[in-house]
Amino acid sequence: GENVEQHPSTLSVQEGDSAVIKCTYSDSASNYFPWYKQELGKRPQLIIDIRSNVGEKKDQRIAVTLNKTAKHFSLHITETQPEDSAVYFCAASLAGGFKTIFGAGTRLFVKA
Amino acid sequence: NAGVTQTPKFQVLKTGQSMTLQCAQDMNHEYMSWYRQDPGMGLRLIHYSVGAGITDQGEVPNGYNVSRSTTEDFPLRLLSAAPSQTSVYFCASSGGGPGATNEKLFFGSGTQLSVL
Repeated sequence: GENVEQHPSTLSVQEGDSAVIKCTYSDSASNYFPWYKQELGKRPQLIIDIRSNVGEKKDQRIAVTLNKTAKHFSLHITETQPEDSAVYFCAASLAGGFKTIFGAGTRLFVKA
Repeated sequence: NAGVTQTPKFQVLKTGQSMTLQCAQDMNHEYMSWYRQDPGMGLRLIHYSVGAGITDQGEVPNGYNVSRSTTEDFPLRLLSAAPSQTSVYFCASSGGGPGATNEKLFFGSGTQLSVL
């Protein structure tokens, strides 16, 4: 089955700096790669996603890149703000969100 | 439009007791799933369903049963609770189906379960 590894487990940055979280997956059949943000005590919420036929996608301060050959994908947050502090999860799934497998999460701290 | 509704929000069980976590969605989603979240281990898939009458095992299915008699409901049953099942449980749904483009998972608010 699919296995998703995520690094680092904890990331601390100064406000205004960039943050990068990296993930790898094992199943070459996976073709949908979402990122979820979870604030303390809340449910995970989708922040951005990318499909296997796209190499990069950007939404304001957030961007994702995908290297399907190497089975790597990454989340980039620029100009970090204190409200970006949360746990971020990468995930991989088949089309339709079918059987989504998550990484272990990255706890991001943004220091003001 | 309530989205994904989970009940209860909190539950304390004794070892060996049984219970059912309820999950309902009102978005006519085909795909529903259950996850457990433990510190440092992310969200692990327990069971999932791609439509009424169809269920399958995820990463950590042992000790849990599910059924999907309707599109809306996907209950998770613990037949004999164990301390190792202490966790936060999330139900999630999506438009789903292979080939679909509406893959976003909508999560319920979670159930904090403690087994003593």
